[in-house]
Amino acid sequence: EPEVTQTPSHQVTQMGQEVILRCVPISNHLYFYWYRQILGQKVEFLVSFYNNEISEKSEIFDDQFSVERPDGSNFTLKIRSTKLEDSAMYFCASSDRLAGVGGTDTQYFGPGTRLTVL
Amino acid sequence: AQTVTQSQPEMSVQEAETVTLSCTYDTSESDYYLFWYKQPPSRQMILVIRQEAYKQQNATENRFSVNFQKAAKSFSLKISDSQLGDAAMYFCAYRSGDDKIIFGKGTRLHILP
Repeated sequence: EPEVTQTPSHQVTQMGQEVILRCVPISNHLYFYWYRQILGQKVEFLVSFYNNEISEKSEIFDDQFSVERPDGSNFTLKIRSTKLEDSAMYFCASSDRLAGVGGTDTQYFGPGTRLTVL
Repeated sequence: AQTVTQSQPEMSVQEAETVTLSCTYDTSESDYYLFWYKQPPSRQMILVIRQEAYKQQNATENRFSVNFQKAAKSFSLKISDSQLGDAAMYFCAYRSGDDKIIFGKGTRLHILP
């Protein structure tokens, strides 16, 4: 069964450093997402991406964050200058269609990248 | 704005018994999707079951079923014949028309041998 994959599984960085989290969505999916989960808290939406541009973003997704699909398979989340409060689990997800349009309309999640900012 | 509420932070159930996890949500939309995701200690998010709001029939996936009450905005998950591998954090989630998923705070389920 196709899966969303994410690398690395755990990233440790110093405050102020740039990090890039990588995701490989399910191959026939066109919609991509990033979520984060601070330890002990609920999962929060960051951004959705379709057709090489951001569809929606939350208040969390400020100028320090960016997303990119650099090639036909990868989807990346970049944090330019990490802060202590960016420490969290970051989940990538993908889906085949928007709600109401058809397809499974289900977002499938990757295993997550645990980001630790020191 | 849509919200998802899970009022049970933790629950325990004896192995082989049945347990129901509660979830309520608030929305003004008429067309949406609801999900239950499972997060084991590995912290991966695993889809358990999904329900389309326009369908009156409750979704079922093997030992997992939901009780979807649209008017009451309630979406509970029933796990039958609980197994040790069911121990995890369970998140109720709402998918809105703008394609973002809103999660509840989760219910930690313990399975007692």
